[in-house]
Amino acid sequence: EAAVTQSPRSKVAVTGGKVTLSCHQTNNHDYMYWYRQDTGHGLRLIHYSYVADSTEKGDIPDGYKASRPSQENFSLILELASLSQTAVYFCASSMTGGARNTLYFGAGTRLSVL
Amino acid sequence: SQLAEENLWALSVHEGESVTVNCSYKTSITALQWYRQKSGEGPAQLILIRSNEREKRNGRLRATLDTSSQSSSLSITATRCEDTAVYFCASNYGNEKITFGAGTKLTIKP
Repeated sequence: EAAVTQSPRSKVAVTGGKVTLSCHQTNNHDYMYWYRQDTGHGLRLIHYSYVADSTEKGDIPDGYKASRPSQENFSLILELASLSQTAVYFCASSMTGGARNTLYFGAGTRLSVL
Repeated sequence: SQLAEENLWALSVHEGESVTVNCSYKTSITALQWYRQKSGEGPAQLILIRSNEREKRNGRLRATLDTSSQSSSLSITATRCEDTAVYFCASNYGNEKITFGAGTKLTIKP
């Protein structure tokens, strides 16, 4: 019944490899987000999207690409994974943008780059 | 840099006591949100308080917003062990992006 589903829940990747994290929402929301969580840094916005086939840069987009092929799906792509990208990644959705809208989060993907 | 920040990294209280988490932000906002994240889960919103509101309640939770001092607080009364979590404040600054603070880790001791 979870409205925002992330896959995989955990992944081990090798340095220099390609990693794709997937997110699917059933909220019928226009906005989707990818956040990264590191200890002591809270959640930092990587990319977001407000419509299919379009993505926007967040606060820390370097080293990441995003893809929104449909309203329901939003992927985060690490073309050349690096050690510094080891973190927990969260996808979220909201009806519209801005602070007056609730973000609904997935359970997260724990990525370890070795 | 953080646009919204909680004021303490960690807090602990005994079950049944009350506790307050504080947050400060840097410029004018349209609203501020409080989220809770339990271990192994994604954050979940607790309260959304708009810039024209001074107080908002949700059961045992009470959020305040002081636009003059650019600060907000989240108070929890009659704490329970299940309130153990990381608490975040979040807002935006005239754009679509929601920025989170670093979080305050709250531990409720039996």
